[in-house]
Amino acid sequence: DSGVTQTPKHLITATGQRVTLRCSPRSGDLSVYWYQQSLDQGLQFLIQYYNGEERAKGNILERFSAQQFPDLHSELNLSSLELGDSALYFCASSVGRGGDLAKNIQYFGAGTRLSVL
Amino acid sequence: QKEVEQDPGPLSVPEGAIVSLNCTYSNSAFQYFMWYRQYSRKGPELLMYTYSSGNKEDGRFTAQVDKSSKYISLFIRDSQPSDSATYLCAMADRAGTASKLTFGTGTRLQVTL
Repeated sequence: DSGVTQTPKHLITATGQRVTLRCSPRSGDLSVYWYQQSLDQGLQFLIQYYNGEERAKGNILERFSAQQFPDLHSELNLSSLELGDSALYFCASSVGRGGDLAKNIQYFGAGTRLSVL
Repeated sequence: QKEVEQDPGPLSVPEGAIVSLNCTYSNSAFQYFMWYRQYSRKGPELLMYTYSSGNKEDGRFTAQVDKSSKYISLFIRDSQPSDSATYLCAMADRAGTASKLTFGTGTRLQVTL
């Protein structure tokens, strides 16, 4: 168990809908990362938050947004869902301090499997 | 062309074999290299990480980085059926608070009895 908790485990929804994925980082971790894993693209970085602030952005669609709350949990919001958004969505967390790699190792949750029908 | 290339496999080996998994990359700014293992329907778990070029050993696992060739490897000695999983290489250009990981697509490994 990595200590990163993601809910729900599975989501089945229809095109055009909006969903929210939730992530609780490991105790003491300030950074949260979101990744999308699909069969053809592999794991793709979406966005990172550090202590409530957005720090890095990857190939995240405008229909997707995220935030990190004062208690450090994070939510990824996906709207106007399309069939192609069906994927595994992973959250990872790290301590996120300084330039020491050991403090920035990312630990992954078990993921949320999203199916858009 | 992807920044990180990894042979998707599947790679099937008998129990006890030495396994070699590899990734190549194009971004010369990458200096932190990681290997993750992912079992079916689970999240990736970190196996090893290295900084810059060289070798690192941890039990049955050895990670090698050759920055001049932009090539990294993971060797698994005495492979076991429990090693059957997808192995993902990952890289970053910095270790700090903005360190997004760039992953290979993963190599699926099957260790047979």
